[in-house]
Amino acid sequence: DTAVSQTPKYLVTQMGNDKSIKCEQNLGHDTMYWYKQDSKKFLKIMFSYNNKELIINETVPNRFSPKSPDKAHLNLHINSLELGDSAVYFCASSNTRPPANTEAFFGQGTRLTVV
Amino acid sequence: DAKTTQPPSMDCAEGRAANLPCNHSTISGNEYVYWYRQIHSQGPQYIIHGLKNNETNEMASLIITEDRKSSTLILPHATLRDTAVYYCIVLRRDMRFGAGTRLTVKP
Repeated sequence: DTAVSQTPKYLVTQMGNDKSIKCEQNLGHDTMYWYKQDSKKFLKIMFSYNNKELIINETVPNRFSPKSPDKAHLNLHINSLELGDSAVYFCASSNTRPPANTEAFFGQGTRLTVV
Repeated sequence: DAKTTQPPSMDCAEGRAANLPCNHSTISGNEYVYWYRQIHSQGPQYIIHGLKNNETNEMASLIITEDRKSSTLILPHATLRDTAVYYCIVLRRDMRFGAGTRLTVKP
C-alpha cells in the first residue's frame, strides 16, 4: 500500500504539449509538495500546499499550475512544455507541526522527457 | 539557498561507521535539523531529525553540537545499500535540499 503515489512514472511528450502529473497520499497528511530534480540532481521545491491552500510558490513559470482538489491529492499541470522542463518530479507529503514537521514521504518520481 | 554545508563526497568501508558532517552556522533557536537520503534516483527517504539533543533510531544517530552550528549523522555499520546522497536540511518554512554528500560504501 504505497504511501505517496505518483502517476505516470514515465512521461515522454513533445514540446508545446500540455500534460498533468497526479499525486495521491494515503497518510492523512495536511501538507503536500512538488519538487523538481534536474539533470544536475539538485532537488528544488516548487510548490507547497497545506490543507489545500497554496503556501509556497517558488519562482516557477506560470505554465506550471498545481491543483489540490482535496487534502490527499496534489496534481501538477504543465502547459506548453519546453525542453528545459525535462526532469524528475517528486511529490511529497508531511504533517506541519511548527516548528517541526513530521517526516516527509516522497513518491517514486515522474521522469518527464520533453522532445 | 540551502542553509547547510556538506562535503560533496565521502567513502566508507562496509561494516564501518559512516560519519557525515553538516555545518549549519546560521541555524536559529527553534529550527530543526533533518537528514534525508536519496538512493540512486528513488524518492528521498527520511532518516532522522533533532533540535538540541542527540537522537538515535533504528537507522542512524544524530549528534548535534552544543552551539547547534553543526551536526553529524552516524550510520553505525554501513552496508553497500547505504550508498546514497545524504542531505542535511535546516527546516524553516519548508524543506530545501542542498547538494548533499554522496556516500559510497565500499566492500
